[in-house]
Amino acid sequence: AQSVTQLGSHVSVSEGALVLLRCNYSSSVPPYLFWYVQYPNQGLQLLLKYTTGATLVKGINGFEAEFKKSETSFHLTKPSAHMSDAAEYFCAVKPSGSARQLTFGSGTQLTVLP
Amino acid sequence: GAGVSQSPRYKVTKRGQDVTLRCDPISSHATLYWYQQALGQGPEFLTYFNYEAQPDKSGLPSDRFSAERPEGSISTLTIQRTEQRDSAMYRCASSLEPTSGQETQYFGPGTRLLVL
Repeated sequence: AQSVTQLGSHVSVSEGALVLLRCNYSSSVPPYLFWYVQYPNQGLQLLLKYTTGATLVKGINGFEAEFKKSETSFHLTKPSAHMSDAAEYFCAVKPSGSARQLTFGSGTQLTVLP
Repeated sequence: GAGVSQSPRYKVTKRGQDVTLRCDPISSHATLYWYQQALGQGPEFLTYFNYEAQPDKSGLPSDRFSAERPEGSISTLTIQRTEQRDSAMYRCASSLEPTSGQETQYFGPGTRLLVL
């Protein structure tokens, strides 16, 4: 069975500082990997996804993530945090076979300090 | 529609009552998913539909939970004889018909259910 671990349920950064949100997965084969963001009172919004090809994936709002097979990781980064980045972030995986559902991590709440 | 919509957005009910939640997916999307999200956790899969077929309902926690999508568009999730442990956010998502497995799931705003 797939599982996803997000280290740190709460992360605080200063405005303009680097954002690093960690995600590790367990899977016998490389799955498809996703990062979603949830703003208050809104649905989950896709930030970026890795399926095949280039391991460094760029998403919306200046975020990017790198798939590292050897480390079974898919950490999310942004060079310079903005106040509007404050939200909850979820890493998710989906098997590359026939299964359709996403398996989510427990989420990381990002706070951006002025 | 332009996005996935869910209703009601909030539902408060008493233990033992039945509740029905509704999901209206993006109009061109064949596949619809239901997830349950407990406080402080990520969403957990309940079931999904391809049009009106329901190939996988392995995530439904008990036989009190059921879902349907009779015309392959709008879906409902019904919880019978609600219990306090059913309190959670219920999320619906939709995607294009799966071909490669890489399809993005688009999520609605969720229905927050509180069982007293």
